[in-house]
Amino acid sequence: GQQLNQSPQSMFIQEGEDVSMNCTSSSIFNTWLWYKQDPGEGPVLLIALYKAGELTSNGRLTAQFGITRKDSFLNISASIPSDVGIYFCAGHGSSNTGKLIFGQGTTLQVKP
Amino acid sequence: DAGVTQSPTHLIKTRGQQVTLRCSPKSGHDTVSWYQQALGQGPQFIFQYYEEEERQRGNFPDRFSGHQFPNYSSELNVNALLLGDSALYLCASSPTRGYGYTFGSGTRLTVV
Repeated sequence: GQQLNQSPQSMFIQEGEDVSMNCTSSSIFNTWLWYKQDPGEGPVLLIALYKAGELTSNGRLTAQFGITRKDSFLNISASIPSDVGIYFCAGHGSSNTGKLIFGQGTTLQVKP
Repeated sequence: DAGVTQSPTHLIKTRGQQVTLRCSPKSGHDTVSWYQQALGQGPQFIFQYYEEEERQRGNFPDRFSGHQFPNYSSELNVNALLLGDSALYLCASSPTRGYGYTFGSGTRLTVV
């Protein structure tokens, strides 16, 4: 089945640094979504991408839908301690419009 | 505006027992999806309900079943529980024609 490979698996950075994480797939995706999950909570949607090449920002977050429709990245600028959490990429494959496929997650830790 | 509500928040069951988890979707949403999230993993799609019918199903055995009620709320039932069913079970709701998935905080199921 369709899978998403997310990297890096974890990151430990200094407050104020920029962060970049990405997601790749061997097959085409119709949408790319980026979620953040805090301990004991459900995932919260950060950015949604619907078109190949689309670049979207949400505050200090920027994400892009790859031209090939097989990848996406998320950048966080000037990280702050509350950015700590697990970030997931997710998407809808070309033939499964109802099913969201998730990556394995990137755990981000920020040192004040 | 209440988001997605799940109950109970935590549950401990014995191997072989049956369990029912409940979900109330966000106001204005009529589609409900269920996901299983094992520790350290991304959520895995179980199934999706729309108009009180199962519309799509992931790779889960028949021990996992569900129901959607006329008010769009939903239940997830798991029979003959196994130790491996221990996980965070997430409910996500969305509007009919949209990808705006909103997740609940989940039910933490522990099977002993």
